[in-house]
Amino acid sequence: GAGVSQSPRYKVAKRGQDVALRCDPISGHVSLFWYQQALGQGPEFLTYFQNEAQLDKSGLPSDRFFAERPEGSVSTLKIQRTQQEDSAVYLCASSSFHSYNEQFFGPGTRLTVL
Amino acid sequence: AQRVTQPEKLLSVFKGAPVELKCNYSYSGSPELFWYVQYSRQRLQLLLRHISRESIKGFTADLNKGETSFHLKKPFAQEEDSAMYYCARGTGTASKLTFGTGTRLQVTL
Repeated sequence: GAGVSQSPRYKVAKRGQDVALRCDPISGHVSLFWYQQALGQGPEFLTYFQNEAQLDKSGLPSDRFFAERPEGSVSTLKIQRTQQEDSAVYLCASSSFHSYNEQFFGPGTRLTVL
Repeated sequence: AQRVTQPEKLLSVFKGAPVELKCNYSYSGSPELFWYVQYSRQRLQLLLRHISRESIKGFTADLNKGETSFHLKKPFAQEEDSAMYYCARGTGTASKLTFGTGTRLQVTL
């Protein structure tokens, strides 16, 4: 079956622009996670949804970052007024309650802020 | 805060040599530990988890609570093992993962 998909795969933004990154989880997966991976680092947790409820947003670095999952399926991560330090790969992952925390990752969106 | 430490950025071994990728975690309750792998131009994927106590592609990892370690081992490295390996921990079902910084394994002839 189809895995987690993300779009766009690459995004170049000028400093100050707003961007929206999309994640399509595996069908039926209740849990959805966003991670940020800076160059040379491991993924770092941003936020977590269970269905449409955002249960944990402790990793969002600032109020410029906003995520939603209005119908409990597709999710969008929005970054307002992008800064150079936002340049990273943004990973989306989904999991089901039956997979005991095995998270299935998407290919990521590489964001470059100029 | 939970921490996962992978002390080596790069580990280079010859084909057929034993491999040990180190991972230490900060002690907090009952950890759930995982190894994720990313092969070249592929997405991050689960390799193994401590609760399963399984061997995947010849790799094993034993949780040592006394040393707070979860090292990944393989007795004989293969070229196809070359990849980026991340140790990660979670807490509870469907919870966020805390990753280490990763170790690049390079297997050479």
